[in-house]
Amino acid sequence: KQEVTQIPAALSVPEGENLVLNCSFTDSAIYNLQWFRQDPGKGLTSLLLIQSSQREQTSGRLNASLDKSSGRSTLYIAASQPGDSATYLCAVNTGNQFYFGTGTSLTVIP
Amino acid sequence: NAGVMQNPRHLVRRRGQEARLRCSPMKGHSHVYWYRQLPEEGLKFMVYLQKENIIDESGMPKERFSAEFPKEGPSILRIQQVVRGDSAAYFCASSPGTGETEAFFGQGTRLTVV
Repeated sequence: KQEVTQIPAALSVPEGENLVLNCSFTDSAIYNLQWFRQDPGKGLTSLLLIQSSQREQTSGRLNASLDKSSGRSTLYIAASQPGDSATYLCAVNTGNQFYFGTGTSLTVIP
Repeated sequence: NAGVMQNPRHLVRRRGQEARLRCSPMKGHSHVYWYRQLPEEGLKFMVYLQKENIIDESGMPKERFSAEFPKEGPSILRIQQVVRGDSAAYFCASSPGTGETEAFFGQGTRLTVV
């Protein structure tokens, strides 16, 4: 069964720092991996989608990489801002469902 | 193109009542997924449906829970005889197909059982 782990569970950084969030999964038979952002009491906002054949995707200050063979993905956030404070979730798509990690709670201190 | 619409956003039910959660997928999407998020826990898969068919219900509790996605209208997640442990946020996602497709999530329905 697919298991998704995110490290660290929580992260606090000063504004302006670059940071990396990690996601690992146990079964490499995936179609794609998505990174989401969730604000308290809100829904999920899709940030980046990486297909299984791709190595990375970029959107603005966000860059996500995927190493399917080793079961790892990273989300890199450049020049963090207080507005980036949220919980970040990764999810792997196995066809019938998306398996989620428990998330990294990010706080960016002004 | 409106996003995935879920209603109601908040629902309060007394123990023993029924809860009906609705999900309208994005236009052109025929695949719907339901997830449950318990307080301080991750999102857990419940069921995957295509129009008029349940494809995978491996995450759905065997009793009291049911889901449908009719040919016309929204997908419905139905919880009968709710108990306090059903209190959670229920999220719906939709996609245009299976495989290499992106999932889009709604804002969720927060169910509180009193």
